[in-house]
Amino acid sequence: GAGVSQTPSNKVTEKGKYVELRCDPISGHTALYWYRQSLGQGPEFLIYFQGTGAADDSGLPNDRFFAVRPEGSVSTLKIQRTERGDSAVYLCASSLRGQGGEQYFGPGTRLTVT
Amino acid sequence: ILNVEQSPQSLHVQEGDSTNFTCSFPSSNFYALHWYRWETAKSPEALFVMTLNGDEKKKGRISATLNTKEGYSYLYIKGSQPEDSATYLCAFAYNTDKLIFGTGTRLQVFP
Repeated sequence: GAGVSQTPSNKVTEKGKYVELRCDPISGHTALYWYRQSLGQGPEFLIYFQGTGAADDSGLPNDRFFAVRPEGSVSTLKIQRTERGDSAVYLCASSLRGQGGEQYFGPGTRLTVT
Repeated sequence: ILNVEQSPQSLHVQEGDSTNFTCSFPSSNFYALHWYRWETAKSPEALFVMTLNGDEKKKGRISATLNTKEGYSYLYIKGSQPEDSATYLCAFAYNTDKLIFGTGTRLQVFP
């Protein structure tokens, strides 16, 4: 079956611009997660959705970052006024019900802010 | 601050060698320990989700053990093959869904 997909695979933007990153989870998975991996680091938790609601957004670094999942499937991570420090690989994962179970990852979006 | 540490940072082995990596995590508030394999240009792939102290899991030539009381997990690869070359990540879950990842062990297997 289809896995988690993310678009775009690569995004180059200028400092100060707005970007949207999209995640299509595995069909039927209620839990969806966003992570960010900076160079030389492991993935860092950003936000977790259970259904349409954000169950835990404690990892969002500041108010320039926002994520939505309006219909409980596709999610969009939105970054306003991008900064060079936002350059990273943004990973999305989904899980059947959450509850500590296996997370299935997408291939990531590599964001470069110039 | 919850910290997950992995060692070594990188490892180069010959085809056929067996190898192992370590993941250290907080021993309190343990919920689960995940191992992932991440090959270049691919998605991270789940290897194991371990929840019980003393757990041992195996998938082909790869196995893992878990000690929640002392806060460590070992990942073993028997008879390494070039296709095992990847970054191996462990992640600690201290509530049900928030994973704290280590920085990974980058394995390269030479033919």
